[in-house]
Amino acid sequence: EDQVTQSPEALRLQEGESSSLNCSYTVSGLRGLFWYRQDPGKGPEFLFTLYSAGEEKEKERLKATLTKKESFLHITAPKPEDSATYLCAPHRRDDKIIFGKGTRLHILP
Amino acid sequence: DTGVSQNPRHKITKRGQNVTFRCDPISEHNRLYWYRQTLGQGPEFLTYFQNEAQLEKSRLLSDRFSAERPKGSFSTLEIQRTEQGDSAMYLCASSLVERAGETQYFGPGTRLLVL
Repeated sequence: EDQVTQSPEALRLQEGESSSLNCSYTVSGLRGLFWYRQDPGKGPEFLFTLYSAGEEKEKERLKATLTKKESFLHITAPKPEDSATYLCAPHRRDDKIIFGKGTRLHILP
Repeated sequence: DTGVSQNPRHKITKRGQNVTFRCDPISEHNRLYWYRQTLGQGPEFLTYFQNEAQLEKSRLLSDRFSAERPKGSFSTLEIQRTEQGDSAMYLCASSLVERAGETQYFGPGTRLLVL
């Protein structure tokens, strides 16, 4: 059965303190993996798609990487506005997307 | 704003009533997805359409739930005889399937509270 585990569940960082969020997955027939950001009461906002092991993508203070079993979202020198829930979502070849529970990130000023 | 709109944004209803939600996707997108999200969880897949054809329904989607996408444009999700366990955020996403892949863009969601 497909499984997606995100860790940690919650993370509090000081502004400027870099860290990484982990997404471990067991998914049959993986096509790619999405990362989304979700603010409270809003729909998920697309960040990245990764398609193959070794691939990396960057956007501002965020960098996403992918291996065969894990993906990492690295946050460099975060700011309070980076506070949100970050969702990992493997995309199967049958078009189904399996979301993790997310990591709640809180950046303290 | 992703360009995907959902209405209403909030709905409070009494148990046993029927409710209907609407999703307007990005106009050139050929796929439309419905998800349900409860507090502390990621979105859970319910069903999806390619143009007007409903291609898959999750086991989560009981026979009280029905979705339509007439003419391949907007979509509606109806819940009949609502139960308290139906309280959740209902999210719609649309995508354009291209050779390079597919990215789903989400709407703001409809938050349902069943009393």
